Amino acid sequence: GDSVTQMEGPVTLSEEAFLTINCTYTATGYPSLFWYVQYPGEGLQLLLKATKADDKGSNKGFEATYRKETTSFHLEKGSVQVSDSAVYFCALSTANQAGTALIFGKGTTLSVSS
Amino acid sequence: NAGVTQTPKFQVLKTGQSMTLQCAQDMNHNSMYWYRQDPGMGLRLIYYSASEGTTDKGEVPNGYNVSRLNKREFSLRLESAAPSQTSVYFCASSEAGIPFNEQFFGPGTRLTVL
Repeated sequence: GDSVTQMEGPVTLSEEAFLTINCTYTATGYPSLFWYVQYPGEGLQLLLKATKADDKGSNKGFEATYRKETTSFHLEKGSVQVSDSAVYFCALSTANQAGTALIFGKGTTLSVSS
Repeated sequence: NAGVTQTPKFQVLKTGQSMTLQCAQDMNHNSMYWYRQDPGMGLRLIYYSASEGTTDKGEVPNGYNVSRLNKREFSLRLESAAPSQTSVYFCASSEAGIPFNEQFFGPGTRLTVL
């Protein structure tokens, strides 16, 4: 079945360091790919998304490119801030209509210190 | 515009007790979902409702029931709580017909079963 694998954390960085969180997927069909972020004590928020191969999603300085050839959607940010400390989830959907749930990776905890 | 709301925020139950988790959304979304989040497991789908009047099982439905009361509300019921159901429960909603199934999450209910 469809699945998402993301690097295990925790990832600990100093402020202004470069961030990469790896995500690979297995899916039939043509999935849409997402990164969600969960700040402490809150629900998940959509960070960015990409719906087809070679699309780049970006938001708040974060970027991820949909790579069909390597089945990957790695999250990157050039300079992290303390406020980026959160849990990051990679997810996919193979449906083109609502009613089919997302499939999530296990999450990667990012901790940024000043 | 409150988005997705969940009640209660915290709950402690004894084994065998029952309770209902409430979820409501004010975005006029057709689809609603219940997930559970456990450490190191990511989010796993319990049940979902593609549209008012329909419900379907997800990955981990055992021990739960759901009711789509109307378009706004989707409740999750534990008939006889077990310690294995200790988790954080998230409700989510999405709009039908969009191509990439973006979901909006509530703040979660933290449930402990003793």
